[in-house]
Amino acid sequence: NAGVTQTPKFQVLKTGQSMTLQCAQDMNHEYMSWYRQDPGMGLRLIHYSVGAGITDQGEVPNGYNVSRSTTEDFPLRLLSAAPSQTSVYFCASRFTGVTEAFFGQGTRLTVV
Amino acid sequence: GNSVTQMEGPVTLSEEAFLTINCTYTATGYPSLFWYVQYPGEGLQLLLKATKADDKGSNKGFEATYRKETTSFHLEKGSVQVSDSAVYFCALSASLSGSARQLTFGSGTQLTVLP
Repeated sequence: NAGVTQTPKFQVLKTGQSMTLQCAQDMNHEYMSWYRQDPGMGLRLIHYSVGAGITDQGEVPNGYNVSRSTTEDFPLRLLSAAPSQTSVYFCASRFTGVTEAFFGQGTRLTVV
Repeated sequence: GNSVTQMEGPVTLSEEAFLTINCTYTATGYPSLFWYVQYPGEGLQLLLKATKADDKGSNKGFEATYRKETTSFHLEKGSVQVSDSAVYFCALSASLSGSARQLTFGSGTQLTVLP
């Protein structure tokens, strides 16, 4: 099994550009989520989804959009990149309930 | 809201030393507690978990006990190895206002083990 696959691994954007971070999982997990990891702040939840067609905001949703058209895919869109969005982004998936979350390898994004 | 407070790092130990990383939490209801580990250049992996008070999670020589009375979930290992060098995250899973359970993470503790 591939688990959770994120692309790209690295990206540099200019301020104002838009882009989509891809996330796919092959474990048939209902729940998928996006986090950003910043030094000294742990992981903060951006958006999450409990199933296809259902998404909701997390702790830090501003500047990001998501959609969930299939169980497998959960892309994260940056609408107009800002330097404050420089971070490492992780996608995670799990079954609903108290179960182990599986994480992708991360996308390191730099906005200049 | 829910929160996790973790011992600040970095922590540097010699091989075979005893490890403790402190973690305390604030949550409503009955959270489940986790330790995740992140090796360099990788995503997080579940290390161990405990779902109710007095449960002990254990894996790869690491242990943590869910202490409701002190709202703590400290990570311990009796003899660390160089291969344990990583960042360790304490986390809780709880529902907010009937929504889906969410993971809330501490800030992470960088552990370096020297040979």
